[in-house]
Amino acid sequence: DVHLLESGGDLVPPGGSLRLSCAASGFSLSTSAMNWVRQAPGKGLEWVSTSGSGGGYAYYADSVKGRFTISRDNSRDTLYLQMNSLRAEDTAVYYCAQDVIGYTFYWGQGTLVTVSS
Amino acid sequence: DIVLTQSPATLSLSPGERTTLSCRASQSVSSKLAWYQQKPGQAPRLLIYDASNRATGIPARFSGSGSGTDFTLTISSLEPEDFAIYFCQQSSNWPRYTFGQGTKVEIK
Repeated sequence: DVHLLESGGDLVPPGGSLRLSCAASGFSLSTSAMNWVRQAPGKGLEWVSTSGSGGGYAYYADSVKGRFTISRDNSRDTLYLQMNSLRAEDTAVYYCAQDVIGYTFYWGQGTLVTVSS
Repeated sequence: DIVLTQSPATLSLSPGERTTLSCRASQSVSSKLAWYQQKPGQAPRLLIYDASNRATGIPARFSGSGSGTDFTLTISSLEPEDFAIYFCQQSSNWPRYTFGQGTKVEIK
């Protein structure tokens, strides 16, 4: 079974940085594109970033471009999201999700990032 | 970006009832549309992909239809566990997924 476990969420002040991790099991991370999707409290879902299976390409939502960096360590089956220059509007639960045939098929349980002074 | 508009925002229904949720895209997404169910404190769960294909383990009471810009999710007979929020998602512009704002199905 596919299992995704996010970690690293925390309370951070505006302008701060945080790195999220997503540990994958039940499949080899190197075979899948992977995504980060976030959900602000009481709000809908927002795609944040996608990493290609080999890590050779990355896509970002305009709202995070230049501030967030997606990366992966396929040898550790772990996906990362480095978040810099955090803003209050980045407050959300961040989910990692496995891409299968162009959809976010499998999701982790999420990790909460709160940006506040 | 492709904008997805879901309607209605909320449905108040009783167990056993049939319901249809709507998702309209601002431009054609062909059949590249998925539906998700989300319960409080949980991650979204994929129900339907490619507009009408049920994901593994999804009960047959869930069905999807549509293509182009207009899509529907039908639940043929609501079970108590079906009361949740439902989101649509387009993957036509992969990987720049966009989601609808959600329809809440609540107990009447």
